[in-house]
Amino acid sequence: DAGVIQSPRHEVTEMGQEVTLRCKPISGHNSLFWYRQTMMRGLELLIYFNNNVPIDDSGMPEDRFSAKMPNASFSTLKIQPSEPRDSAVYFCASSNLDPGAHHNQPQHFGDGTRLSIL
Amino acid sequence: AQKITQTQPGMFVQEKEAVTLDCTYDTSDQSYGLFWYKQPSSGEMIFLIYQGSYDEQNATEGRYSLNFQKARKSANLVISASQLGDSAMYFCAMREAPDTGRRALTFGSGTRLQVQP
Repeated sequence: DAGVIQSPRHEVTEMGQEVTLRCKPISGHNSLFWYRQTMMRGLELLIYFNNNVPIDDSGMPEDRFSAKMPNASFSTLKIQPSEPRDSAVYFCASSNLDPGAHHNQPQHFGDGTRLSIL
Repeated sequence: AQKITQTQPGMFVQEKEAVTLDCTYDTSDQSYGLFWYKQPSSGEMIFLIYQGSYDEQNATEGRYSLNFQKARKSANLVISASQLGDSAMYFCAMREAPDTGRRALTFGSGTRLQVQP
């Protein structure tokens, strides 16, 4: 079975450019999460969607960040304009968290996008 | 206050020995779930094991087991018979009150385990 697929794996771009990160969740999963991992702050939630609807975006740093989930099989995280402090590894994860599902459903992570803003 | 505390930034263990990675958590919820993930140097996050707050038995998954002490709010990961491939970062995470729809995980800062031959 295909896992969570993220693209690109690596992105290097100059400050001020727009960056778009992409994620394809596991088929059948109804929840999608974007996390950011840095040395200073560890793993932190940016936003999560349930049934394609954003539920909690309190972790989104500022207006430069936006995320969309136009359908059940695709999500994007966009940074515009990008800044050097946005450099991090961005993970997408998905899970099946319907009320009828067991609470032990783990989140399955993609391989991450390593983003470097110069 | 930290929701998840991992007090061991780094641990060493000899190959074939057992090792315990500590995790304490803070929540006022009665229903919650605890997870452990492994992150090797290649960077991916691999789910290892889960423990529910109402589970009476400690979770086990192959060489991984969870020493769950609810009153102490600790959920330590035990890896038996360590292998060189176990060298990685290990993260403890919690999902609070899943019935209420709070679905995201809160992660600890991680423990870097190095298995020595």
